Amino acid sequence: EAEVAQSPRYKITEKSQAVAFWCDPISGHATLYWYRQILGQGPELLVQFQDESVVDDSQLPKDRFSAERLKGVDSTLKIQPAELGDSAMYLCASSPVGQLDSPLHFGNGTRLTVT
Amino acid sequence: LAKTTQPISMDSYEGQEVNITCSHNNIATNDYITWYQQFPSQGPRFIIQGYKTKVTNEVASLFIPADRKSSTLSLPRVSLSDTAVYYCLVGDWKSNTGKLIFGQGTTLQVKP
Repeated sequence: EAEVAQSPRYKITEKSQAVAFWCDPISGHATLYWYRQILGQGPELLVQFQDESVVDDSQLPKDRFSAERLKGVDSTLKIQPAELGDSAMYLCASSPVGQLDSPLHFGNGTRLTVT
Repeated sequence: LAKTTQPISMDSYEGQEVNITCSHNNIATNDYITWYQQFPSQGPRFIIQGYKTKVTNEVASLFIPADRKSSTLSLPRVSLSDTAVYYCLVGDWKSNTGKLIFGQGTTLQVKP
């Protein structure tokens, strides 16, 4: 079964540094999501793409976070500068809009620790 | 967006049937009900989805009453490996702008 690929798996960075996460969705999936999950809580949607266009970034802290999906395939989420409160799991998901079997396919995330 | 309410935690024993109920009083006409399972340090994994009545697959059943204001995930004969967090989501994900919002989920602990 095809999977959503994310890298790195773990990232430790110091506060005020820049950090980037990469996601490669399942081939053919037009919709891509970035979620942030703080330990003990459910995933929180940060940004949603439809192909290369941002559909919803209302919950993305735009002063420090940016996301792009230039060719409508893979995506990068960046944080600059990182803050202690950004420590969390960053999850990427993709979906084949219009299909009924499985709305969201998640990767295994990048665990970020900011020190 | 419809908000969901589910128990924070549940305990069960191996071999028992587990039913987790989710309330979604403000569900909209185009909304589907979807359940995900998440193990520590992994992304959520799709379990089952439905719109109304009953849906069954190889791992679970989903019961949805006629008013669709709640739903129940049923896991038959659970094992230790079913210990996980279970999320109930409601949304019109088929729309290009549809999105699914996660709540806090239900932590299921299966004991031997």
